[in-house]
Amino acid sequence: EPEVTQTPSHQVTQMGQEVILRCVPISNHLYFYWYRQILGQKVEFLVSFYNNEISEKSEIFDDQFSVERPDGSNFTLKIRSTKLEDSAMYFCASSGAGAGANEQFFGPGTRLTVL
Amino acid sequence: GENVEQHPSTLSVQEGDSAVIKCTYSDSASNYFPWYKQELGKRPQLIIDIRSNVGEKKDQRIAVTLNKTAKHFSLHITETQPEDSAVYFCAASNRGFQKLVFGTGTRLLVSP
Repeated sequence: EPEVTQTPSHQVTQMGQEVILRCVPISNHLYFYWYRQILGQKVEFLVSFYNNEISEKSEIFDDQFSVERPDGSNFTLKIRSTKLEDSAMYFCASSGAGAGANEQFFGPGTRLTVL
Repeated sequence: GENVEQHPSTLSVQEGDSAVIKCTYSDSASNYFPWYKQELGKRPQLIIDIRSNVGEKKDQRIAVTLNKTAKHFSLHITETQPEDSAVYFCAASNRGFQKLVFGTGTRLLVSP
C-alpha cells in the first residue's frame, strides 16, 4: 500500500540555522499538508498546498516558513531561521481527489531538535 | 475558527471492556470527522471517519457516532485489546481538502 515518506527522520540544528524537511506524498494525491506536534501535545495544522500554491496557512506559519513542490514528487518545508520553540515532530500529509478525498494520510514525521 | 475539545485525556480499561472517547466541535460548517490512532513515536493512523450526512459508522470493533445538533461525535471501541493502547485523536474539517483541526488526544491504556 502506498505511503507518505519523509526525510530525515531526525534533524538536529543550531538556533538560527535553516532547515529543509522533505516529504514524498502518495503519488496520485493532489493536496499536501504540513502539521507539527510538540512533544506530548496535539497535532497542529501549519499549511495546505494545492495546484502549486498555498491554499491555507495557520498563524504558526509565519514568514520564517515556506513550502515548495520542486518537482513532481517532493514537497518540502523550509524554516529559514530556526528558534528553540520550533522543536517538534513535523508531519507531512497528503490527500487525493474524488470519493474519500477528505482522508489525509500522514508520513512518519521528522523530529526537529533546535539547540 | 474551529475548536475541537476531547475527553477524557486518559482512559484506563481492562481487556475486553468497551472504551468511549468524546469530542465536541464549535464550527457548525464542519462536515468531516476522522479519528486517528497514534502509537508512541509513530505517525497518526486513520482508523475511522464519518461525514456529516450520516449519524453512525461501524468497522468491526470500532464505531463512531455523530450528533450534528449537539456538535459532538464519539469513538466507541468494543472488546478492547492491549494492542488498542495508544493515543487517539479526533479531528474536524469544514471542507474537503482543508485543514484538520485536532483534539487534544486521549491516552488509552488497555490492561491485560
